[in-house]
Amino acid sequence: GESVGLHLPTLSVQEGDNSIINCAYSNSASDYFIWYKQESGKGPQFIIDIRSNMDKRQGQRVTVLLNKTVKHLSLQIAATQPGDSAVYFCSEADSSYKLIFGSGTRLLVRP
Amino acid sequence: SQTIHQWPATLVQPVGSPLSLECTVEGTSNPNLYWYRQAAGRGLQLLFYSVGIGQISSEVPQNLSASRPQDRQFILSSKKLLLSDSGFYLCAWNPGTAQETQYFGPGTRLLVL
Repeated sequence: GESVGLHLPTLSVQEGDNSIINCAYSNSASDYFIWYKQESGKGPQFIIDIRSNMDKRQGQRVTVLLNKTVKHLSLQIAATQPGDSAVYFCSEADSSYKLIFGSGTRLLVRP
Repeated sequence: SQTIHQWPATLVQPVGSPLSLECTVEGTSNPNLYWYRQAAGRGLQLLFYSVGIGQISSEVPQNLSASRPQDRQFILSSKKLLLSDSGFYLCAWNPGTAQETQYFGPGTRLLVL
């Protein structure tokens, strides 16, 4: 079936460096994408979203890039901080009411 | 502003006992509501969603059921818990249209012994 997957299960970065978390999706009908951050023991928290009519969207220290040609999504975090340590999920939606979530990438920030 | 509540936060139940988890949303009307389960270190599995009172869609056959007795209340139930029902249960809502961000509650951690 259709699925969203992640290339790296764990990413370790030095504090202050930039982080890039990648995601591949396979449903060509998906046209809305969301990144979530989940800290241990908490519910996922919305970070940023992007619709398929855009290639890039920026937030505060975060940027999402969408490459529809290769069905690839990435989340870039600038100047990574210890508080960014968490599991990050990409998700996709088509015209239905449901989101399909990837398996997650754990980001570890080294002091 | 909108707020989503889940309770209890943590629950330890024996195998074969019943279950009732509650989720309520404040500050919105006619939301879509969702129940997910998350196993330790894993992703989110959609269990049920509801687009209106009394309307429940089930995503996976299982030992659980869901109900929506009021517009902003979503309940997850089981008559007899299994060991495999252990996990982190998350409720989410969105503003009642497709292709909208879902906002998650704090979750309920369930341990079945």
